Amino acid sequence: TQLLEQSPQFLSIQEGENLTVYCNSSSVFSSLQWYRQEPGEGPVLLVTVVTGGEVKKLKRLTFQFGDARKDSSLHITAAQPGDTGLYLCAGLDNYGQNFVFGPGTRLSVLP
Amino acid sequence: NAGVTQTPKFQVLKTGQSMTLQCAQDMNHNSMYWYRQDPGMGLRLIYYSASEGTTDKGEVPNGYNVSRLNKREFSLRLESAAPSQTSVYFCASSVRRGTYQPQHFGDGTRLSIL
Repeated sequence: TQLLEQSPQFLSIQEGENLTVYCNSSSVFSSLQWYRQEPGEGPVLLVTVVTGGEVKKLKRLTFQFGDARKDSSLHITAAQPGDTGLYLCAGLDNYGQNFVFGPGTRLSVLP
Repeated sequence: NAGVTQTPKFQVLKTGQSMTLQCAQDMNHNSMYWYRQDPGMGLRLIYYSASEGTTDKGEVPNGYNVSRLNKREFSLRLESAAPSQTSVYFCASSVRRGTYQPQHFGDGTRLSIL
């Protein structure tokens, strides 16, 4: 079974600070997705990365897929309270059939 | 746009009771999924339906059954609920399984088994 680990588990920062959260595995994934989940709601897709070394930007969010396709990072610049939520990474398994989810990083941005 | 609709939103059961969680999507997606989410463990796949008429086990299928009623609807049944099945259950759909297409999630059913 392919597993994904995420760090840190919890992160509390002040508005305006920068942060990076990580998604790691010992396995190679065909692609990797990042989702954000707010309390009482289901996860919502932020981005999909496919190619090793790929970098994608979504406004203040920057996503990177590791060269070996075993890890990924999410960097947020000048965090805002609206960024608060649970950030989940999900990797498409070796067979390219099902997504494996990490346990998430719970981010709290204080005004 | 409703997207993925799950019912009920909350449910409390006693050990041994049965119930069915309902899920419907209006995006004409081929594939549908049931996940459970527990603290510190992320989302774990219970069952999936790659297309209408097919269902398959995921990572944690024991104690559950599913029915793909038609292209829109995918239900999850607990035949004899156990406290270990206390969790938040999410239904999701995607254009096609095994692709880079996003999964669209419902807002979940919060289930407590006493």
